[in-house]
Amino acid sequence: DGGITQSPKYLFRKEGQNVTLSCEQNLNHDAMYWYRQDPGQGLRLIYYSQIVNDFQKGDIAEGYSVSREKKESFPLTVTSAQKNPTAFYLCASSVLGQGNQPQHFGDGTRLSIL
Amino acid sequence: QKEVEQDPGPLSVPEGAIVSLNCTYSNSAFQYFMWYRQYSRKGPELLMYTYSSGNKEDGRFTAQVDKSSKYISLFIRDSQPSDSATYLCAMDDTGNQFYFGTGTSLTVIP
Repeated sequence: DGGITQSPKYLFRKEGQNVTLSCEQNLNHDAMYWYRQDPGQGLRLIYYSQIVNDFQKGDIAEGYSVSREKKESFPLTVTSAQKNPTAFYLCASSVLGQGNQPQHFGDGTRLSIL
Repeated sequence: QKEVEQDPGPLSVPEGAIVSLNCTYSNSAFQYFMWYRQYSRKGPELLMYTYSSGNKEDGRFTAQVDKSSKYISLFIRDSQPSDSATYLCAMDDTGNQFYFGTGTSLTVIP
């Protein structure tokens, strides 16, 4: 089945620790996105990438880093510089080049502080 | 002012009712409009995708876009308990970003 796989479902971070959230897609989509979802705030864009080895900051990129070494993969690292990392993190992907296509989402990773 | 405004609810209706969910927006450049359904602890699932003004129907769901009023709606007919979820509207100006509403929580009571 084609889709977006996020892992792990739940993640706990200790103070001063970096953690990496995985996002893999087999939809052959060009673009991939990371969002953070907090109660009452909707989805906020962290980073996005439209092509391998290139990515752009979204609205709340501080304290986060990404890489796009393969088309299928777009991991997100939550660094120790992110002081309030507790949230639900969603990865999405979409087709480019055929008008604007909607984004499709994975089932998220919930990150909490120990 | 937020780009997209959506009443968070919660909204509670009896089974079989017609549900109306709405979003307003401020950016007249928005051309693509989407509705997503999100169950608890899951990612958003695309329900409807429309371009410009007009109506689009898919089974029990109808999406309506009124660009002159900067207002979009999702109607759910014959609502079912399985429709209980949070509904997110989203919009795009053909740029690189989508703009999401905060979501409306819906409960359909059997």
